[in-house]
Amino acid sequence: NAGVTQTPKFRILKIGQSMTLQCTQDMNHNYMYWYRQDPGMGLKLIYYSVGAGITDKGEVPNGYNVSRSTTEDFPLRLELAAPSQTSVYFCASTLQGRNYGYTFGSGTRLTVV
Amino acid sequence: AQSVTQLGSHVSVSEGALVLLRCNYSSSVPPYLFWYVQYPNQGLQLLLKYTSAATLVKGINGFEAEFKKSETSFHLTKPSAHMSDAAEYFCAVSGSGNTGKLIFGQGTTLQVKP
Repeated sequence: NAGVTQTPKFRILKIGQSMTLQCTQDMNHNYMYWYRQDPGMGLKLIYYSVGAGITDKGEVPNGYNVSRSTTEDFPLRLELAAPSQTSVYFCASTLQGRNYGYTFGSGTRLTVV
Repeated sequence: AQSVTQLGSHVSVSEGALVLLRCNYSSSVPPYLFWYVQYPNQGLQLLLKYTSAATLVKGINGFEAEFKKSETSFHLTKPSAHMSDAAEYFCAVSGSGNTGKLIFGQGTTLQVKP
């Protein structure tokens, strides 16, 4: 049972480039999330999805896009990379509702230069 | 709206000493509260959660937390620190509605000295 898998683990982008951060889970979880982690700031929610075909913005969605075509996959797209998007990105999933804890992926460390 | 404040960005204890990491929350609905641990270069792992059952919650690795509604607190404790407890700890509160969104505190780095 792999849990939540994120790829790549590390990436360096030049300003203006685009990329997709991949996230897949094999636990049949309905709810999936993308967070970014910056030092001293905790985790901030970028986008989330409560099921295939349903996505919504979180606290810091600008510069990002997501899609959810299947239950398993929830990719995060950066269209025009900016230095402010240098961060560690975490994908997480949960079965449903408020009282379940998340299962996190191991993260993607992105640097934009 | 929900929010979380973790008091102290860095806490240092000696091995064998009591660990106390503080978390205060604000919530417009009965809260569900969580503590996560993050070891270097890893994702976050659930330590324990409060979901309106017992107010004293026991988690993995000997940690526990007590929900105190009157103080709006959910502090994390461990009677005796071990070197392997050195990590960053995050408190989180569940947002309103049924989206499962979590609001995280800023994190507390625990250092354990030999």
